[in-house]
Amino acid sequence: EAQVTQNPRYLITVTGKKLTVTCSQNMNHEYMSWYRQDPGLGLRQIYYSMNVEVTDKGDVPEGYKVSRKEKRNFPLILESPSPNQTSLYFCASSFVGAQDWGDNSPLHFGNGTRLTVT
Amino acid sequence: QQQVKQSPQSLIVQKGGISIINCAYENTAFDYFPWYQQFPGKGPALLIAIRPDVSEKKEGRFTISFNKSAKQFSLHIMDSQPGDSATYFCAASRDSSASKIIFGSGTRLSIRP
Repeated sequence: EAQVTQNPRYLITVTGKKLTVTCSQNMNHEYMSWYRQDPGLGLRQIYYSMNVEVTDKGDVPEGYKVSRKEKRNFPLILESPSPNQTSLYFCASSFVGAQDWGDNSPLHFGNGTRLTVT
Repeated sequence: QQQVKQSPQSLIVQKGGISIINCAYENTAFDYFPWYQQFPGKGPALLIAIRPDVSEKKEGRFTISFNKSAKQFSLHIMDSQPGDSATYFCAASRDSSASKIIFGSGTRLSIRP
């Protein structure tokens, strides 16, 4: 089954304790991205990657790191989490080019990670 | 700045009624306008999408109306059902690029039985 898998689904941590949220996709997509979802703000892009070893900042990158060492994996790292990073996080993947989208979504989302930082 | 403005923030509709969610955009370079549907505990999933060369696209009970001159587009759900209760996001993309998709703020839709 084609899917994007995030782990963990729920995470409660304390300020300053480093954490990693994993994301893996099995669709051979070049593009992967992280979003955070907050009430009234929609989905905001944190970081994205166009391919292995190629990453770039999205709209809200402060306090986050990413790496793309393999095509299928795109972990999100919070080196020193703070309470304002409490949010619902989504990983997504896609083919890069619109010619490959067809009638399908350009973005396939995971089921989310709910992070609480106290 | 918010490049895609979505309204209303929440919407309650009686079963069988028409649900309408509106979005407006600023960047005339946007060339792909998808709508995503999100159920609790799940990630967003594509519902329907339109490109600016057409004014309307219909898939079953779901229709996108697109007004290029007004820079507005809307989602209409006909004969709304309780199973349609979800959060809906409009979005817009520039250069038909996945990396350049901008999302609206979302609408929480509740369909009353």
